[in-house]
Amino acid sequence: GESVGLHLPTLSVQEGDNSIINCAYSNSASDYFIWYKQESGKGPQFIIDIRSNMDKRQGQRVTVLLNKTVKHLSLQIAATQPGDSAVYFCAEAGDSGYALNFGKGTSLLVTP
Amino acid sequence: DTGVSQDPRHKITKRGQNVTFRCDPISEHNRLYWYRQTLGQGPEFLTYFQNEAQLEKSRLLSDRFSAERPKGSFSTLEIQRTEQGDSAMYLCASSLVLDTEAFFGQGTRLTVV
Repeated sequence: GESVGLHLPTLSVQEGDNSIINCAYSNSASDYFIWYKQESGKGPQFIIDIRSNMDKRQGQRVTVLLNKTVKHLSLQIAATQPGDSAVYFCAEAGDSGYALNFGKGTSLLVTP
Repeated sequence: DTGVSQDPRHKITKRGQNVTFRCDPISEHNRLYWYRQTLGQGPEFLTYFQNEAQLEKSRLLSDRFSAERPKGSFSTLEIQRTEQGDSAMYLCASSLVLDTEAFFGQGTRLTVV
């Protein structure tokens, strides 16, 4: 069936380095993608989104890249900080346009 | 408005008991969603309201689950005859009608013993 998945379950980076979290999706009809950050014991927090008519979108210290040809999404975090340590989920809006389909998540650990 | 609010934050119940959770969305948001999240997994969609109308239910939402949003504002999710497999984090989210960006609450963690 259609799915959203992440390449790596865990990622460890040093403080100050750039982080890249990858995500593959299989539903070619998906037209909206979101990255969420989830800290332990908390609900997912919106980071950045992108629509399928774009291939790049930048926020504060974060950039999302969308490659529709290979159905790949990535989240880049510049100058990673200890506060960035969390689980990151990519999600895509399904055919319904409202229900989000989440991947399993990548745990990002920032070491000093 | 401080965002999406869920109550209680934690609930421990015995198997077979009924539980009810409440969600208060962001006030101007017409859409309200319920998701379930188990340890190490991403949230899974359960159901969705637009105003007071429940427009979609996942097949994950068994007959023991019922959700309401009677006045188009807060919502409740009830689980009857709880089972150990119901143990999970139940997340509520809301969004504007024409905006897919969903804001999540802190969730209610249910433990069935």
